Amino acid sequence: AQSVTQLGSHVSVSEGALVLLRCNYSSSVPPYLFWYVQYPNQGLQLLLKYTTGATLVKGINGFEAEFKKSETSFHLTKPSAHMSDAAEYFCAVSGNKLVFGAGTILRVKS
Amino acid sequence: DAGVTQSPTHLIKTRGQQVTLRCSPKSGHDTVSWYQQALGQGPQFIFQYYEEEERQRGNFPDRFSGHQFPNYSSELNVNALLLGDSALYLCASGLIRDRGNIGFGSGTRLTVV
Repeated sequence: AQSVTQLGSHVSVSEGALVLLRCNYSSSVPPYLFWYVQYPNQGLQLLLKYTTGATLVKGINGFEAEFKKSETSFHLTKPSAHMSDAAEYFCAVSGNKLVFGAGTILRVKS
Repeated sequence: DAGVTQSPTHLIKTRGQQVTLRCSPKSGHDTVSWYQQALGQGPQFIFQYYEEEERQRGNFPDRFSGHQFPNYSSELNVNALLLGDSALYLCASGLIRDRGNIGFGSGTRLTVV
């Protein structure tokens, strides 16, 4: 079975500050891990994914995430927040199906 | 190369009615999964179809049913609609042999009144 915990339902950062969104997972099989972004009244957009190989994964819009097996984590980071990053972010793990976390709403202050 | 397409984009139904949502997978994909995303929540897995059969199912009542056609497209049917069925319904297509290869449609927003 798979599960995902996203720590912090709301995160607020200043424009230009570091973005850190936390995700911990559990999986009974080697996990494939995903981060999605969702803007209001829209569908899911894939930011990045980890399947196998390099544990530091780079995605779109300057985001990256590091798979840490020992910590069962896949935290999402971006060095400098932009106003356009304000959205809801979902971490997901794929075993025999894709299981999502509850989401983290990112607010970017000017 | 078209991605995952869903129709309709928005739908309003009355309690007790039935609804059918449609999904065309990305070209080359052979599985279709459906998710329900209620307001303020993460997407919840409803079921997955492969080779025209339901392969696995989440914790949803039998009012939720589906179908996959020979061309891999899929329908989600919900009977006896409840107010609580109001949600964004997302379709995802993928490859049975590559669980990292998944694409999502833009969703159907269902409102039950």
